[in-house]
Amino acid sequence: QKEVEQNSGPLSVPEGAIASLNCTYSDRGSQSFFWYRQYSGKSPELIMSIYSNGDKEDGRFTAQLNKASQYVSLLIRDSQPSDSATYLCAGQGGKLIFGQGTELSVKP
Amino acid sequence: ETGVTQTPRHLVMGMTNKKSLKCEQHLGHNAMYWYKQSAKKPLELMFVYSLEERVENNSVPSRFSPECPNSSHLFLHLHTLQPEDSALYLCASSQVVRTPNGYTFGSGTRLTVV
Repeated sequence: QKEVEQNSGPLSVPEGAIASLNCTYSDRGSQSFFWYRQYSGKSPELIMSIYSNGDKEDGRFTAQLNKASQYVSLLIRDSQPSDSATYLCAGQGGKLIFGQGTELSVKP
Repeated sequence: ETGVTQTPRHLVMGMTNKKSLKCEQHLGHNAMYWYKQSAKKPLELMFVYSLEERVENNSVPSRFSPECPNSSHLFLHLHTLQPEDSALYLCASSQVVRTPNGYTFGSGTRLTVV
């Protein structure tokens, strides 16, 4: 069983739409969750972190955490072509474990 | 220079070669990590160092040998690699190992084994 699981996509949305990225995790001991953005050929860049149940908003990004369902999501509002990248979900219990990433493509 | 710096950016090596990857962090962090990223696979944690002490080794083959001479520098020594070892090798650092603040990644070394 994968410890952190994401739909690998690709997910394609039109410019200006809401992109919804989902992630589930198996380790109930995980306390912190992160979303990283990785452009092709580049290193992962931390864009959001969330520790408590509920929503956390930062600009066009909203992270959602439901520990009972072991579910984390990232919403990107008003998607832009520059948001096209692979988004990595990660959960931290004793160590940081990554999902395989979801490729997002925003079409002009 | 700030952040996490990795050298070289690209490396092509034969299966009988010996090479080393270097990572340096300028963030004052106490923990450093090596990850392997292969196509369409999750990042795989290879090694974890906390204050120059290796605290985790995730069943990595002995042809990969890490070295952490101080809390700012991390090396990955490579020898007799296999073609399946071709991947992006990422170094990361964090304030402490069990940080709630995520990791900062370097730009990676793209390794090709021929």
